[in-house]
Amino acid sequence: DAKTTQPNSMESNEEEPVHLPCNHSTISGTDYIHWYLQLPSQGPEYVIHGLTSNVNNRMASLAIAEDRKSSTLILHRATLRDAAVYYCLSGGSNYKLTFGKGTLLTVNP
Amino acid sequence: DAGVIQSPRHEVTEMGQEVTLRCKPISGHNSLFWYRQTMMRGLELLIYFNNNVPIDDSGMPEDRFSAKMPNASFSTLKIQPSEPRDSAVYFCASTGGTAYNTEAFFGQGTRLTVV
Repeated sequence: DAKTTQPNSMESNEEEPVHLPCNHSTISGTDYIHWYLQLPSQGPEYVIHGLTSNVNNRMASLAIAEDRKSSTLILHRATLRDAAVYYCLSGGSNYKLTFGKGTLLTVNP
Repeated sequence: DAGVIQSPRHEVTEMGQEVTLRCKPISGHNSLFWYRQTMMRGLELLIYFNNNVPIDDSGMPEDRFSAKMPNASFSTLKIQPSEPRDSAVYFCASTGGTAYNTEAFFGQGTRLTVV
């Protein structure tokens, strides 16, 4: 699996957009990019995933760079409930989802 | 569906005792994963089953750990004998396909404390 690099922490204000970056410079052509979040004392939750094109769902948007070496998870309007650890993963052409340290997102009221 | 169900939610045991963690995946899912989470090491994949068969157990820390999946609706992770360094939150996850192109669903986890 490609190694991913994320900032340890980020801070945002409520109702403002949040852009969470992720670098995956060693990604291969068949590796998907996944994002999961984890709330305190809970298991990880799926947010979004994509391969090449930008993706949107009800939770967030995923912007993938043209060279696929980086991506950005976009939360359009942060809420207090969005405060969590966000993991960027590059799922290889195998089955493994390998988690890194993630980004701790703090949302200020 | 109720999601991935793990039991117990909390387990406190003495060093040297056997511990069994249980997982019921989402009905119809054919892939099951066991993860361990600690502050020091984060989320680590321990073992992966596909169609009830262990495919990759390279993350299992040592012979004290064993996992089984006797049928599509049940899996166990056993630690025997348990040690204080096994204290962690253990998560089970399932998917309907290969995890790399679909959504993985995680259980609430079992918090294990070995004293």
